[in-house]
Amino acid sequence: DAGITQSPRYKITETGRQVTLMCHQTWSHSYMFWYRQDLGHGLRLIYYSAAADITDKGEVPDGYVVSRSKTENFPLTLESATRSQTSVYFCASGGLAGVETQYFGPGTRLLVL
Amino acid sequence: KQEVTQIPAALSVPEGENLVLNCSFTDSAIYNLQWFRQDPGKGLTSLLLIQSSQREQTSGRLNASLDKSSGRSTLYIAASQPGDSATYLCAVYSSASKIIFGSGTRLSIRP
Repeated sequence: DAGITQSPRYKITETGRQVTLMCHQTWSHSYMFWYRQDLGHGLRLIYYSAAADITDKGEVPDGYVVSRSKTENFPLTLESATRSQTSVYFCASGGLAGVETQYFGPGTRLLVL
Repeated sequence: KQEVTQIPAALSVPEGENLVLNCSFTDSAIYNLQWFRQDPGKGLTSLLLIQSSQREQTSGRLNASLDKSSGRSTLYIAASQPGDSATYLCAVYSSASKIIFGSGTRLSIRP
């Protein structure tokens, strides 16, 4: 089906482990985004990508790595997970941010023990 | 630094009422503003996107206005229904990487 999907939907990991969250969109949107949502902080932009092989930092990039070798995929990697990275992670895609609508995935709930 | 505030944090009204949700921002140098809806445990759904050159946008029972000079946007919901119950967030865009979300208003429509 067309749309934007995230996997896994739920993940429990331990401090220090590497975790990769996947995001896939079928619309061929140029832009893709990763956000985290935390109580008390709302949604914050982690990284975004304007096209394949072009990525840039958002508001809270520390501890995260992204890549975009294909237009449709935008994985987010936590290189060494910390408890402060426990959060709900949302991927989104769209055209130019703020000019065209962003479409959000269903989210991944990550718990770091 | 841009700050986005949404007041009230929660609102409960009876079905059928018209209501207004507020979003204020501190830096008027934005190029647009977007309203989203988020249902519990779900992602965000875009409702309305207002370009900085626009004053308002309408979609069905929803009307969003933007006053850059005063740093305010409102989302007007007409004839509210129980299905409108959700959290409503506004997001202010200053650039592709400068996207600041408000903390949201949790709306409950009582049947």
